[in-house]
This record gives sequence, structure tokens and C-alpha cells, in this order.
Amino acid sequence: AQKVTQAQTEISVVEKEDVTLDCVYETRDTTYYLFWYKQPPSGELVFLIRRNSFDEQNEISGRYSWNFQKSTSSFNFTITASQVVDSAVYFCALTRSGGYQKVTFGTGTKLQVIP
Amino acid sequence: SAVISQKPSRDICQRGTSLTIQCQVDSQVTMMFWYRQQPGQSLTLIATANQGSEATYESGFVIDKFPISRPNLTFSTLTVSNMSPEDSSIYLCSVVGTSAQFFGPGTRLTVL
Repeated sequence: AQKVTQAQTEISVVEKEDVTLDCVYETRDTTYYLFWYKQPPSGELVFLIRRNSFDEQNEISGRYSWNFQKSTSSFNFTITASQVVDSAVYFCALTRSGGYQKVTFGTGTKLQVIP
Repeated sequence: SAVISQKPSRDICQRGTSLTIQCQVDSQVTMMFWYRQQPGQSLTLIATANQGSEATYESGFVIDKFPISRPNLTFSTLTVSNMSPEDSSIYLCSVVGTSAQFFGPGTRLTVL
């Protein structure tokens, strides 16, 4: 069975602070994908990143960076110099690789960036 | 990524009534998915809809309560039947793209 744990329910930071959202996953599969999605107050789910289990390289995209550590089954997400527009609920998700597989979502972390 | 639209974007309904939610995709897709997100909760898969066959429902969801149609490769509907306040949720349709699963904007349903 697959499981995604986002232990941080809510985080508040002051604008321009850095913030890291934690994600720990469980799976018995040897190949899988990990994802991060952003859900702003408007409700739509915005895809941010996909990481293949074979690729442990960290990734940076602008103010966003992701740290994938297979040894600790973690896929953490850092926002540098946070902005008010980053306020949203962030979901970490997991799926098996190979065609369509059911996506397992974490419970989400609500990030509030205070101006 | 696919462009997904949903109608209605939100609705307020009375207990005991039914609401049909439409999902339109700008490209042909084999599988479409319907998710529910209850207030403050994560996403839960309701069912998978393939064109030309009956939808496959997840544990805890039944066809009588959530009938789904998939008449072609770009369109699907989800009906929430005999609604109760517990059905108040965001309902999202989704398709698989080349890099991830992409979601529609959601239908925010409130049942009084």
C-alpha cells in the first residue's frame, strides 16, 4: 500500500522568509513518481513538479526547489523568499510508474505568507 | 498539458436533489477521473471513466450515488444524486498528461 504523509498541517511565514514543506512517503514499489501540486484559494490544482524514483537530483525552478532523498523516503519542497501569492495548500502525491496508476495524495500543508 | 473545463464552477443545492457536473477536455483522452475534496481534506478518487465502458468506482463510492457518463473521448459527466450536506465538496475531474495528472478547476458544491 502507498502512503504520503505531510506532517505540517499549517505553516505561517512572513513574506521573504524561506519555507520548507515536508513530505514523507511509503511504497513497496521500486519505481514510482512523486509530485507536488499547489491549490490556491480559488480551488484549482496546479501541477508543480514530477520526480521519477530513479532521479535523485535536486531540482530548482526559480524560487522553488525540491529535495528528493530516497534513503529517507522524503521529497521536500522549499520556497525561497516567499511571497503572498505563494499562499495556498500544497499537496505531495505518489503514484506507481508505468501507464496510469492511482495517485495517492498527502493531506496537504496550508501555507500562509503574511505581508 | 491538457486544458480542462468544468461546469458549473459552483452551485448551492437543496438536500435530496441531484446535480450533474460536466467536464470537457481540449484533447482526446482514454481515461478521465473524478475526485472529491471535502472541506479541508485531501483528494479522494471517486471513479475512473473510460470511453465506451462503465466507470470503475473506488471503495466507498457507488454508481447509484455517483453515476458517470463518458460519451466520447473529450467529455464526461458526474452526477451527485440524492444529495445531503455531507456531499458538500469540491469535485474535480482529471486526465493523465505526459508528465502528470492534470486537474480541472473544480466544481464547488454546497448542499443545504
